[in-house]
Amino acid sequence: ETGVTQSPTHLIKTRGQQVTLRCSSQSGHNTVSWYQQALGQGPQFIFQYYREEENGRGNFPPRFSGLQFPNYSSELNVNALELDDSALYLCASTPAISGANVLTFGAGSRLTVL
Amino acid sequence: GIQVEQSPPDLILQEGANSTLRCNFSDSVNNLQWFHQNPWGQLINLFYIPSGTKQNGRLSATTVATERYSLLYISSSQTTDSGVYFCAVREGGKLIFGQGTELSVKP
Repeated sequence: ETGVTQSPTHLIKTRGQQVTLRCSSQSGHNTVSWYQQALGQGPQFIFQYYREEENGRGNFPPRFSGLQFPNYSSELNVNALELDDSALYLCASTPAISGANVLTFGAGSRLTVL
Repeated sequence: GIQVEQSPPDLILQEGANSTLRCNFSDSVNNLQWFHQNPWGQLINLFYIPSGTKQNGRLSATTVATERYSLLYISSSQTTDSGVYFCAVREGGKLIFGQGTELSVKP
């Protein structure tokens, strides 16, 4: 149990649909980041939120968007799904925005796009 | 950006054997973590080790920041050690992961 929970654990969508993935962080962890992990690859940074504002983004198109809420939960939204969006999506939280902090990951949401 | 390379990409061990996994990075870092990803996808923190040596049971890690590499040692391997091991370094607010080492420990 890492204190970071994600839902759903698995889901299947079709191309063109939209999906919302959810993450609940540990209390006091006001920084949350999302990663995409394609099969056989290392996780890739999507974006980070700090105090409900996006403050860093990786090389992902605008159809990947997010929200962070005051209760330490967050969402990743992906519009107009493509086949290549099939991946494990990981949420990670940390108590602070910068510095030498350890990220704690959830178990992930595995998305399959058909 | 920083490049992270891990070796070997795959490793098969007999239970009880020892192993060393390597992580090279292209620039100086002040934050390096080792993770174990189990077959269900969960990334488990093993070590936060920007420099020096740490040990936790059968696992230990050493980072030589000036030479831009880190090593993860697994001694007396067990079948439960199987999975993918990632190292990751921090650049700004994000972690940059290597491609991982997939370890399979046979009984």
